[in-house]
Order: sequence, then C-alpha cells, then structure tokens
Amino acid sequence: DQQVKQNSPSLSVQEGRISILNCDYTNSMFDYFLWYKKYPAEGPTFLISISSIKDKNEDGRFTVFLNKSAKHLSLHIVPSQPGDSAVYFCAASALVINDMRFGAGTRLTVKP
Amino acid sequence: GAGVSQSPRYKVAKRGQDVALRCDPISGHVSLFWYQQALGQGPEFLTYFQNEAQLDKSGLPSDRFFAERPEGSVSTLKIQRTQQEDSAVYLCASSLSMQGPNTGELFFGEGSRLTVL
Repeated sequence: DQQVKQNSPSLSVQEGRISILNCDYTNSMFDYFLWYKKYPAEGPTFLISISSIKDKNEDGRFTVFLNKSAKHLSLHIVPSQPGDSAVYFCAASALVINDMRFGAGTRLTVKP
Repeated sequence: GAGVSQSPRYKVAKRGQDVALRCDPISGHVSLFWYQQALGQGPEFLTYFQNEAQLDKSGLPSDRFFAERPEGSVSTLKIQRTQQEDSAVYLCASSLSMQGPNTGELFFGEGSRLTVL
C-alpha cells in the first residue's frame, strides 16, 4: 500500500520562479517528514525535514509546509536554480515503525 | 570514507544465481537500513539493524533475501536464486540515531544496481 504519495511524476519551472512539490500521506501515525533530493547515479541526500509539531520549516531557499489535517506536505524552492534539477522524494516515519516510507518521487527540471 | 559506501555499484546476474551486496556505513552510525528501489519508484524498506541486531526484516520480499551485520558495522544483503523481479537498485542507509529514522536523517549510499537476466 502506498502510504506516501507524490502524484506529480514531473515538474518543470523557469529559473528564478518558485517550485512547489507536493506530497500526501495516509498513515496518521507518521510524525516526522523529510524531503530527499536525488541526482542520477547517486543515492538520495537529505534536504529538509519537519516534525509534526510544526507546520513550517525554512532553510534558505527551501521551505517545507505541513498540513496535518489534510495529511499533506509541500516543498517550496524559491528562487529555483538549474542546479535544483533532480528527483525529489518525500518521506515519512513514525516512532512506532522502524522504516521510513518514501513517495515515488517528482522529477524537477529548472530551465535556465 | 566519509559517506556510506556500497559495492558492487553494478551487478549483472543470471537467473538462479546468488548475489551478495555490501554496505559500509558511516563510522559510528548505529542504525543501518536496506531499501529496494525499482525503476520509477521510491525506495521500499527491506530491513533494519541497530548495531548487529536485525530489529525488523518485515520488508524482505521472500526467504531468498537475507541480511546480516555481524559486527555492527559492515552489512551484507544476500539474494539467493535471483529472479528477474529482483532487478532493482539496492540502497543502504545509515543513521546516528538509535531510534530508527524518526529522529534524524538517513545517509544513503550510491546504491547497487542489480540486473537479473
């Protein structure tokens, strides 16, 4: 069962504009959410996270928003840069489970 | 090395052959995870170690899959009698946290791409 869903397989934005990547989850026990970034032939690398006690976490150009009632989170990148072009995975975990569940990923392309 | 190291990077196996994939986690990291990533999908959990103890193997797809971490550092994922559906990238990740992934990020290796012919 897909407990973490990224419904947009791809997204294309212009350099300098905002990129918004979305993620939905179904398991209400999830209490920690992360975004990972993956370049071709490399493993995913951690980008930003948010605990369920917060609704926003910002780190430079990256901001993650969490809407617990809607079981939805999003990653905002502003301004987008060509180097941001990668696959972005949303992930969720909970203290009561040992694994981290990942979405299928969204491929972001930032055009110069 | 500074990061998680996996070998081999690429492995081609004939159906029915046994394979072994190795993971060197970041030194001092207590938790180690194996994930399977099929083409176009996100990583799927296979198994989790805390030091040498395998605390969760619920994600292993069949009894052909076996993982070990005998000394609490290097881990090996073994797949016996490989099938075509085993073709995937196998990712290893480690974490400093002793509480599974919930309190910190996972550091991933580059993965081992297995192709079963």
